Amino acid sequence: NAGVTQTPKFQVLKTGQSMTLQCAQDMNHNSMYWYRQDPGMGLRLIYYSASEGTTDKGEVPNGYNVSRLNKREFSLRLESAAPSQTSVYFCASSEAPRTRPRETQYFGPGTRLLVL
Amino acid sequence: GQQLNQSPQSMFIQEGEDVSMNCTSSSIFNTWLWYKQDPGEGPVLLIALYKAGELTSNGRLTAQFGITRKDSFLNISASIPSDVGIYFCAGPSGGSNYKLTFGKGTLLTVNP
Repeated sequence: NAGVTQTPKFQVLKTGQSMTLQCAQDMNHNSMYWYRQDPGMGLRLIYYSASEGTTDKGEVPNGYNVSRLNKREFSLRLESAAPSQTSVYFCASSEAPRTRPRETQYFGPGTRLLVL
Repeated sequence: GQQLNQSPQSMFIQEGEDVSMNCTSSSIFNTWLWYKQDPGEGPVLLIALYKAGELTSNGRLTAQFGITRKDSFLNISASIPSDVGIYFCAGPSGGSNYKLTFGKGTLLTVNP
């Protein structure tokens, strides 16, 4: 199993450009998440999808849109990139074994985005 | 919203030393999670705690769920260079089973 995969690994954008970050998981998890990580800020939730067909805002959703394409894939779109969106973006997924809550999340390797 | 305060923010230790770090919250958590992030990688779950007072080990790592349910502790014994990284605590936020709140992390540097 590859776990959670993300593409691209690195990206440089100019202000105003758009792009889509891709995420896929092969663990048959129901829930998927997008986080951003900034120095000294920890991980902050942008959007999540509790199950296929649903998406909800997290802590910092402004400037982003998401699509839960199917059970495996969850994409994050920046319609008009801004320098404040320079960050490292992580996708994660989760599914609870019957004996445990859903909080155990598995993370991808990240996408490093620079907006000039 | 709920916030998790991790301390210390960073640590610089010698190989072989033991390490202690903690995470506190102003509100009660029903689950505490500890993640490690290696440089250039995504976080990886180390230990999950589900009951107040629970003490769980994973190799040289030991974590405890505080009795008050407002704190958790992570200890690393006999540190080695590959322990370098950022350690995050996390817990479910807003009563959700899906959303996690993360602390800002403790950066650990191990000097060989």
